[in-house]
Amino acid sequence: SQKIEQNSEALNIQEGKTATLTCNYTNYSPAYLQWYRQDPGRGPVFLLLIRENEKEKRKERLKVTFDTTLKQSLFHVTASQPADSATYLCAPSSNTGGFKTIFGAGTRLFVKA
Amino acid sequence: DTAVSQTPKYLVTQMGNDKSIKCEQNLGHDTMYWYKQDSKKFLKIMFSYNNKELIINETVPNRFSPKSPDKAHLNLHINSLELGDSAVYFCASSQGGGTGELFFGEGSRLTVL
Repeated sequence: SQKIEQNSEALNIQEGKTATLTCNYTNYSPAYLQWYRQDPGRGPVFLLLIRENEKEKRKERLKVTFDTTLKQSLFHVTASQPADSATYLCAPSSNTGGFKTIFGAGTRLFVKA
Repeated sequence: DTAVSQTPKYLVTQMGNDKSIKCEQNLGHDTMYWYKQDSKKFLKIMFSYNNKELIINETVPNRFSPKSPDKAHLNLHINSLELGDSAVYFCASSQGGGTGELFFGEGSRLTVL
């Protein structure tokens, strides 16, 4: 069955450093992959989308890579700030008679001042 | 001006009752979804509607019945509520038959006692 794995343990980093979050998927060939941010008690908020024919995508301090051979996406937050503390969700999408986006369990990021 | 709004935000009810959650989006999107986020924070897709037509129906008990009166609304009715139905239910919308980013509501926390 389709499986999405993200670091289950929280990631603690110092302000100013780069945080790298990993998303691995199996039994799946997504057409594209999205990353979302979720704060406690709130709905997920879209951050970035990367397509299967793209290797890398950037938006301000965020960078996403997508390796369809390794079946992996990496999400980087550079020059991290305490305000970046949140849960980050990996969400691959595929067309199964209707585009379906499924989510990983998320990785909790804590940025210390 | 809220893009995707859900009501109610909180719902506490007894086992066996029937309840509904309403969702409206003012983004002009053609696709709407219901996701369930359980206590382990997994966000699981339940249903997807495109232009009022059901296109994704995951393995969800038939006690759950979605209804889309028009493109801007997607409601979720749950019959004979069980303890395991306790979760946060998120409504979302997207454009292009689900080929892009999802816009989520703030969630409806359902507690079944």
